[in-house]
Amino acid sequence: QKEVEQDPGPLSVPEGAIVSLNCTYSNSAFQYFMWYRQYSRKGPELLMYTYSSGNKEDGRFTAQVDKSSKYISLFIRDSQPSDSATYLCANRPPGGGNKLTFGTGTQLKVEL
Amino acid sequence: GAGVSQSPSNKVTEKGKDVELRCDPISGHTALYWYRQSLGQGLEFLIYFQGNSAPDKSGLPSDRFSAERTGGSVSTLTIQRTQQEDSAVYLCASSQAAGFSEQYFGPGTRLTVT
Repeated sequence: QKEVEQDPGPLSVPEGAIVSLNCTYSNSAFQYFMWYRQYSRKGPELLMYTYSSGNKEDGRFTAQVDKSSKYISLFIRDSQPSDSATYLCANRPPGGGNKLTFGTGTQLKVEL
Repeated sequence: GAGVSQSPSNKVTEKGKDVELRCDPISGHTALYWYRQSLGQGLEFLIYFQGNSAPDKSGLPSDRFSAERTGGSVSTLTIQRTQQEDSAVYLCASSQAAGFSEQYFGPGTRLTVT
């Protein structure tokens, strides 16, 4: 079992839709939870991170962590074609320096 | 300012040959990471350098893989006797310090082993 599981998609939605992207993880010791966005042929860029359970908002993006069920989500409101990318969830295990464990990524396409 | 740069952007090599991939981190960043991204596998951690400490090599898949970081800046990832399963995008990232800090990724080197 991979430490971080993520549905690869692809997920296709119309412009303006609310998008929900999800990950599950197996190691209850994971601390920081991150979402990265990766455009085609580019390196990933950090979108959001959170340390605790609950919600964190940043503009159109909301990250949600449920440590009791080991489930993390990213919601995108009013999705735009420029949001079309692959979204990767990542976790940082304790005592592991700063190396990250990534999910396989979900490919999102927002259509006009 | 300049981000993380990697070279070459693409590399095609024959099975059995050695390859060297280069990473220039953001100036002043003390931590440097190498990851590999294969189709369907996501990003896999390979190796992590922090300052003058011994590198964390726990993610290197075999002894054909090695990396060094000279002068605390530029890093080179070397793959000896390449195999077809080594085909992937090799990504380098750097961050300001140890502990939790944002990792900034380069664009990657796409390696194809024929």
